[in-house]
Amino acid sequence: SQQGEEDPQALSIQEGENATMNCSYKTSINNLQWYRQNSGRGLVHLILIRSNEREKHSGRLRVTLDTSKKSSSLLITASRAADTASYFCATDSGGYQKVTFGTGTKLQVIP
Amino acid sequence: DVKVTQSSRYLVKRTGEKVFLECVQDMDHENMFWYRQDPGLGLRLIYFSYDVKMKEKGDIPEGYSVSREKKERFSLILESASTNQTSMYLCASSSGQGSYQPQHFGDGTRLSIL
Repeated sequence: SQQGEEDPQALSIQEGENATMNCSYKTSINNLQWYRQNSGRGLVHLILIRSNEREKHSGRLRVTLDTSKKSSSLLITASRAADTASYFCATDSGGYQKVTFGTGTKLQVIP
Repeated sequence: DVKVTQSSRYLVKRTGEKVFLECVQDMDHENMFWYRQDPGLGLRLIYFSYDVKMKEKGDIPEGYSVSREKKERFSLILESASTNQTSMYLCASSSGQGSYQPQHFGDGTRLSIL
């Protein structure tokens, strides 16, 4: 069963604009991760936020976590064409390293 | 950098065939995973392994088996391939215990069953 649901499913913006993607989940988590997938490639880990953190930054990425609303957002600032990819959230779903991925947001950045 | 290598990028097989997908990682990771990725369904976990010769079922293990004889290698086996197993298959690895370590992915095998 899917734990995370991303919103929107697809997003198209102009280069230089900010892109915001949201992830909602159903059960309590210890941490939430965001991954990027370029077309035809595997997923690449971007950032992990723990349940006791509210915000985390990494370069042009900003992730927020609201455990009371069971939601997270990924903000990419000053987007570039190279940011065109699908973005997935992943939540830990109990036991060892097992995580559950959402269905992803497909981001297109138009030069 | 961690490298996860999947043996084939594209594979075409026939229904009823036994299919082997191979994955090798070079970072001595304890944990390895097999996912399938389908449009609109995201990634779904088939099997994972947290040690040599150890395996755990994921969310959709039916029709699949796995083998981990060496730490660096994790194989996915389709016992008798069917058309509904046409998909993108992704292998991943991670270190340590718990869910706090990122997973490192291979580039996937796009498998078509005819």
